[in-house]
Amino acid sequence: EPEVTQTPSHQVTQMGQEVILRCVPISNHLYFYWYRQILGQKVEFLVSFYNNEISEKSEIFDDQFSVERPDGSNFTLKIRSTKLEDSAMYFCASSGSGSGETQYFGPGTRLLVL
Amino acid sequence: DQQVKQNSPSLSVQEGRISILNCDYTNSMFDYFLWYKKYPAEGPTFLISISSIKDKNEDGRFTVFLNKSAKHLSLHIVPSQPGDSAVYFCAASAGQWGNEKLTFGTGTRLTIIP
Repeated sequence: EPEVTQTPSHQVTQMGQEVILRCVPISNHLYFYWYRQILGQKVEFLVSFYNNEISEKSEIFDDQFSVERPDGSNFTLKIRSTKLEDSAMYFCASSGSGSGETQYFGPGTRLLVL
Repeated sequence: DQQVKQNSPSLSVQEGRISILNCDYTNSMFDYFLWYKKYPAEGPTFLISISSIKDKNEDGRFTVFLNKSAKHLSLHIVPSQPGDSAVYFCAASAGQWGNEKLTFGTGTRLTIIP
């Protein structure tokens, strides 16, 4: 069964460093998303991406964040200068086209900023 | 901003009995609802969804009920099995044409007692 994959599974970084989280969405999907979950809190939407551009972004997704689909399979989230409060589980999701399409999630990347 | 609420943080149910998980929402623009199951250190796994044009959707042991007038949905699991022990998230989106962000509830931890 097709699935969304994410790398790395864990990332530890120093405050102020740049991190890139990688995702391989399901191959025939057209919509891509990043969500995050801070420990003990709910899953929060960060950004959606379609047709090589951002469709929607949340207040969390400020200038320190960027997304890219560098090739036909990868979808990346970059945090330019990490802060302590960026520590969270980051989930990538993808969905197909058409109405009522379900978003399928990857296993997540646990980011710890020290 | 609690547009989707799951008021029970935890629920314990005897194996073989019915598990009922509840979810309330406040945004009347939501028209597509999903339930996800999540194990620790994994991504949310899609369980079942329902469109606002329906009031019930069934898939095996899982049934979701939607009461639009009360802005309430519930997930019924019958019979409950030990493998159902996980955190269950209710999620909602406004618009069924793809790429709409999901708004999640805070989750209910379900424990099935053997």
